[in-house]
Formats: sequence, C-alpha cells, structure tokens
Amino acid sequence: EAGVAQSPRYKIIEKRQSVAFWCNPISGHATLYWYQQILGQGPKLLIQFQNNGVVDDSQLPKDRFSAERLKGVDSTLKIQPAKLEDSAVYLCASSLDPGYEQYFGPGTRLTVT
Amino acid sequence: KQEVTQIPAALSVPEGENLVLNCSFTDSAIYNLQWFRQDPGKGLTSLLLIQSSQREQTSGRLNASLDKSSGRSTLYIAASQPGDSATYLCAVEGDMRFGAGTRLTVKP
Repeated sequence: EAGVAQSPRYKIIEKRQSVAFWCNPISGHATLYWYQQILGQGPKLLIQFQNNGVVDDSQLPKDRFSAERLKGVDSTLKIQPAKLEDSAVYLCASSLDPGYEQYFGPGTRLTVT
Repeated sequence: KQEVTQIPAALSVPEGENLVLNCSFTDSAIYNLQWFRQDPGKGLTSLLLIQSSQREQTSGRLNASLDKSSGRSTLYIAASQPGDSATYLCAVEGDMRFGAGTRLTVKP
C-alpha cells in the first residue's frame, strides 16, 4: 500500500512570496489533515477535510493560508504572502474516516527568509 | 479548549530499561488518543490508537493506557533498545491536538 505523498520536500522563499504544497493521501482515505510543525513543538492542526468538505479550519490563518481538496482526493495548501514565522514543516496525514489511525507523509520543510 | 501536555520533555535511559511516558489532556470529551513516533527530519509513525471506550492497547513491547476521567495516558516501553530513540508524541481527537513530545534517548 502506497503511503501519503507530499511535494516538494523542501522549499526556500522570501517573505511576502507565495508557496503551495501538494498532498496525495492513501487511496480510499476520506479524511485528510494538514498540520504545521514548528521546531521543538508538536504538530498543530491547520485544516481537516472529510472528502472535499472542511470539518475543522479553526486554527488556519485565513488571511494568508488557503487549502482545497478537489474531488475528495489530492489537496493543496497555499500561503500568500509568507511571513518569517511561517518557517516550519508542513505535514499531511490521512485516515479512513475521523477517529481512525492517521498516516503521515514525510512533510515539506519551508524556510522563509 | 483542549490542551495536551507531555512530561518529561526529554528522557535518557540505558538499554534494557523499562520506561513510561506520560500524556495529559484537559478535556475528557475525546474520540480517541493516538501515540506516534517521530525520527529526526521525518514524518510521524503511528504506534497505538486507543478508542475512547478502551482502556489500553498493546503492540509488541509497547503498551498504552487511557484514563479519560483523569485526563491521562501512559505509553509503556519494555526492554528499551537504542532503536527506540526518537520523539514520542501523543494526540487526542475530538479537537485534534498534539502534545509537544518526549525526546527519548536509549544508550547502548
């Protein structure tokens, strides 16, 4: 069974630029999560999708972050414009449904200079 | 607002020792609690998932317990090995929240 795929693995941008991350979940997984993990901290949930609908985006900074999951499969997370404090690892995870085991991708390490 | 705390933040033990990692949460209205392992520069690997109706789960040398009423979970690792060295994170689902993790070092 293929795991959760993410790209790119690394990205360096200047502040005020925009960036997009892509996630392909495990086939058949209805629930998709995007997390932000700052060095030394646990992951923070940014947004949770159930199929192509949003379940929880209460911690998503909506003035600069956006996410979509078209057709209930792949998902993209965008930051525009980026700030220095957005430097972090962005993790994507998927599960069969809410409450089931979550499987994580390798993450995208973003550096904003 | 759910808050998850893990103590200690770091732990160093000699190989072969049994150890316990702690996780506490403030809101007992959870669906489940999951323990993960994270190796440096890598994503998270699921270790054990305990549903809210369960008291414990076991996998190999790992045993996780859950006490919803007191807002606590423990991860017990038996006969620790250097390969167990990693950061261990707990997460509760209801409002999805992670602890900051315990960094474990097992010395040969």
